[in-house]
Amino acid sequence: KAGVTQTPRYLIKTRGQQVTLSCSPISGHRSVSWYQQTPGQGLQFLFEYFSETQRNKGNFPGRFSGRQFSNSRSEMNVSTLELGDSALYLCASTSRGSEQYFGPGTRLTVT
Amino acid sequence: KNEVEQSPQNLTAQEGEFITINCSYSVGISALHWLQQHPGGGIVSLFMLSSGKKKHGRLIATINIQEKHSSLHITASHPRDSAVYICAVSSGGSNYKLTFGKGTLLTVNP
Repeated sequence: KAGVTQTPRYLIKTRGQQVTLSCSPISGHRSVSWYQQTPGQGLQFLFEYFSETQRNKGNFPGRFSGRQFSNSRSEMNVSTLELGDSALYLCASTSRGSEQYFGPGTRLTVT
Repeated sequence: KNEVEQSPQNLTAQEGEFITINCSYSVGISALHWLQQHPGGGIVSLFMLSSGKKKHGRLIATINIQEKHSSLHITASHPRDSAVYICAVSSGGSNYKLTFGKGTLLTVNP
C-alpha cells in the first residue's frame, strides 16, 4: 500500500497571503488528522476529519480551516498568513482503532 | 503544566546501552502513543497502547494506567536509533486527537 502523501513538500509564502496544503491518506483510511510542528510549541493538533465531517478541532484561530473530500483526501487552508505560521504541517491517516500513519509533511515558510 | 511530560529532554548513549525514556500524563486517556521522528521531519508510529506492555524488535513500551506513566525502552541501542522520541496521548474517546510531549532527543554514539 502507498503511504500518506502530502503536497507540496515545501512552500514559501508572504505575510497576508493564503495557502492550501493537500493530504492523501492511505487507501481505505477514512480519518485524516492535521498537526502543526514548530520549534517553540512542538506538535499541536489542528483538526480531524472523518467521512467529510470535522470531528475534532484544536485550539487554533479561524484562519486555519480544512475539508475532506469523498475519496478521503483532505486539504487544509491558512488565510492571512502570519510569520508565526511558519511550521512543518503534518497529516496522518487512520483506519478504525489503529495507530496513525504520518505523511512526510509540508514545510511552510512565511516571509 | 503540560498534559504530557517527557524525560529526559536529551539523552546521549553509547552503542549497546539499554535506554529508557519516560512519559507522564495528567489526563484520562484512551491510548498512549510512542512516535519516532528522524531529522527531516518524518514521523513513524512505534506503539499505540492502552494497557500492559508491547514489544517490537529491540523496542519495548509499557504503561501503568493507575500511575499515569509510560516508558519506552530500547535494548542494545544502535546509532540508527538516534532520533527524537515523542510520547502522545489520545483522550476524550478519540484515538485521532493527539496531545504531544516535547520529545526526547536521543543520540547513540558508536
